[in-house]
Amino acid sequence: GENVEQHPSTLSVQEGDSAVIKCTYSDSASNYFPWYKQELGKRPQLIIDIRSNVGEKKDQRIAVTLNKTAKHFSLHITETQPEDSAVYFCAAGGTSYGKLTFGQGTILTVHP
Amino acid sequence: DTAVSQTPKYLVTQMGNDKSIKCEQNLGHDTMYWYKQDSKKFLKIMFSYNNKELIINETVPNRFSPKSPDKAHLNLHINSLELGDSAVYFCASSPSRAATQPQHFGDGTRLSIL
Repeated sequence: GENVEQHPSTLSVQEGDSAVIKCTYSDSASNYFPWYKQELGKRPQLIIDIRSNVGEKKDQRIAVTLNKTAKHFSLHITETQPEDSAVYFCAAGGTSYGKLTFGQGTILTVHP
Repeated sequence: DTAVSQTPKYLVTQMGNDKSIKCEQNLGHDTMYWYKQDSKKFLKIMFSYNNKELIINETVPNRFSPKSPDKAHLNLHINSLELGDSAVYFCASSPSRAATQPQHFGDGTRLSIL
């Protein structure tokens, strides 16, 4: 089955800095890669996703890049703000297994 | 109007008891899921139903039994609760079983076993 590795497990940045979270996946048949943000005590919420026919996607301060050859994708957050502090999960899906496989999560802390 | 709603939000009970968690979605989605999130925050899929049919059944003790009376509802019954069952259980839904579209999560049920 699919295996998704996410790094780093924790990330601490100063307000205004950029943050990058990286994920690798194992199944080359995966073609859908969403990112979820989970604030403390809340539900995971989709913040951006990318499909395998696209190399990069942006939405204001967040962007995701995908390298299908190397089987890795990354989340980039620019001009971080304290409200960006949360756990971020990457996931891979679209194979015959019919499920999303999640990474282990990254705890992002943005210090004011 | 909540898209995916779970009840109860909190569940505190004794070891050995039986309990149920209910989930309903009003998005018109065909597929619903149960996830378990442990203390280390790892999100692990347990079950998935597509239009009332069980399509994913991960390695989960048979004390856990899902039921889907219709495609808008997915319930989870747990027998003989154990300490290790303490976790947050999330219900989610997506338009189809293909896992190529966003999944929408409920607010979670925090289960604590005393």
